Amino acid sequence: EAQVTQNPRYLITVTGKKLTVTCSQNMNHEYMSWYRQDPGLGLRQIYYSMNVEVTDKGDVPEGYKVSRKEKRNFPLILESPSPNQTSLYFCASSFGLGAYNEQFFGPGTRLTVL
Amino acid sequence: AQTVTQSQPEMSVQEAETVTLSCTYDTSESDYYLFWYKQPPSRQMILVIRQEAYKQQNATENRFSVNFQKAAKSFSLKISDSQLGDAAMYFCAYRSRGNFGNEKLTFGTGTRLTIIP
Repeated sequence: EAQVTQNPRYLITVTGKKLTVTCSQNMNHEYMSWYRQDPGLGLRQIYYSMNVEVTDKGDVPEGYKVSRKEKRNFPLILESPSPNQTSLYFCASSFGLGAYNEQFFGPGTRLTVL
Repeated sequence: AQTVTQSQPEMSVQEAETVTLSCTYDTSESDYYLFWYKQPPSRQMILVIRQEAYKQQNATENRFSVNFQKAAKSFSLKISDSQLGDAAMYFCAYRSRGNFGNEKLTFGTGTRLTIIP
C-alpha cells in the first residue's frame, strides 16, 4: 500500500530534550516536506527536500533541523524543544519535478512540549 | 507572498442539504493550483478536489464542486447532499505552478463543518 508513515504518532516531552520525528514514504517520491498545524493558523511549511541531500527552509524553520540521507526518509529533528513547538506535525511527499503531483500526507504526529 | 483566507471558522448544514465553504486568496501569479483538503477527526489530510488556474471549467468530484472566480480570486467549495461523513475541518490551499523547487502548499485557517442529522 502506497503511504507516508510517521513515528511516533503522539509524543509528550520536556523542554530541551532532543527528539526526532521520523517520516518514511514507499512511493519513490523525490519531494518531501514538513508542516506544522496550529489552531487558527492552518498548516505552515517548516522544511522541504527536493531530493537526497537537498533540503531548504520553509516558512517556519526556527528550532528545527532535517536531513535527507535516503530518498524514502525525511526525519524532523528538534535539538532543544520548547513549549512553542507544541503542535501537530505532518510529513508530505510527492513526485516533484514541478508538474502537478498530488501530495500525500502522513497521519500526523501530536507533539506536546512541557 | 501568497495568502489564503477562509472567513468562516465554523459552518453547519442539515444532512442531505447543500453547503458552500468560502475561500479567497491573494497572489500576483497567473498560473497556480488550488485545492480543498478535508481533515476528519482522524487528523488525516485528504485531498477533496483541485483546480488548475488556467482551466476555466470548474472542477467537480461526485458531490463536491468548486466555483472558481479567477478575477475575484475566489475559490469556494460546494458540497451537495451532505452526509454525516462529511463532518470535518476543510482547508483551502494554494500552490504555485511555476516553482520547480518548493511545492509548498499555502493553507487557509480552515472551516469546521458540522452535519446536523
